[in-house]
Amino acid sequence: EPEVTQTPSHQVTQMGQEVILRCVPISNHLYFYWYRQILGQKVEFLVSFYNNEISEKSEIFDDQFSVERPDGSNFTLKIRSTKLEDSAMYFCASEGGYEQFFGPGTRLTVL
Amino acid sequence: ELKVEQNPLFLSMQEGKNYTIYCNYSTTSDRLYWYRQDPGKSLESLFVLLSNGAVKQEGRLMASLDTKARLSTLHITAAVHDLSATYFCAVGATNKLIFGTGTLLAVQP
Repeated sequence: EPEVTQTPSHQVTQMGQEVILRCVPISNHLYFYWYRQILGQKVEFLVSFYNNEISEKSEIFDDQFSVERPDGSNFTLKIRSTKLEDSAMYFCASEGGYEQFFGPGTRLTVL
Repeated sequence: ELKVEQNPLFLSMQEGKNYTIYCNYSTTSDRLYWYRQDPGKSLESLFVLLSNGAVKQEGRLMASLDTKARLSTLHITAAVHDLSATYFCAVGATNKLIFGTGTLLAVQP
């Protein structure tokens, strides 16, 4: 069964460093998303992406964040200068037939 | 701004008992989702409800949607320990899902 994959599973970085989180959505899906979940809290929407451009972004998704689909399979989230409060689980999702399928997540720890 | 509220936030129940988790949302939507999350894991899709009056069942879980009341319920029948997890509802908005606060379900033997 097709699934969304994400790498790395865990990323540790120093405050101020850039990180790139990678996702491979399900191959025939057209809509892609990033969400984050701070430990013990609810899942928060960051950004949606369709037809190679951002469809919508939340207030969390400020100028430090960017997304890209550099080739036909990968979908990336870049955080340019990480802050302590960026520590969270980041989930990628892709949508097919009204249903969003979530990847296993990347745990980002900012020290 | 769409707000999604779940209650209860925490539910401790005994095996064999029944209970219901409620999900209220503030603006019109015809897409409602239920997800399960085990500790440290991703979100597993349980149900997708796409119309008023929709009811879906899988094993001991049954979900329903009342779009007029802006309410969805997740009913647990004869709980077993394996159902212990956090359950999230999520409401479909344009280009995104808005999640509820989650309900941590602990089923005690």
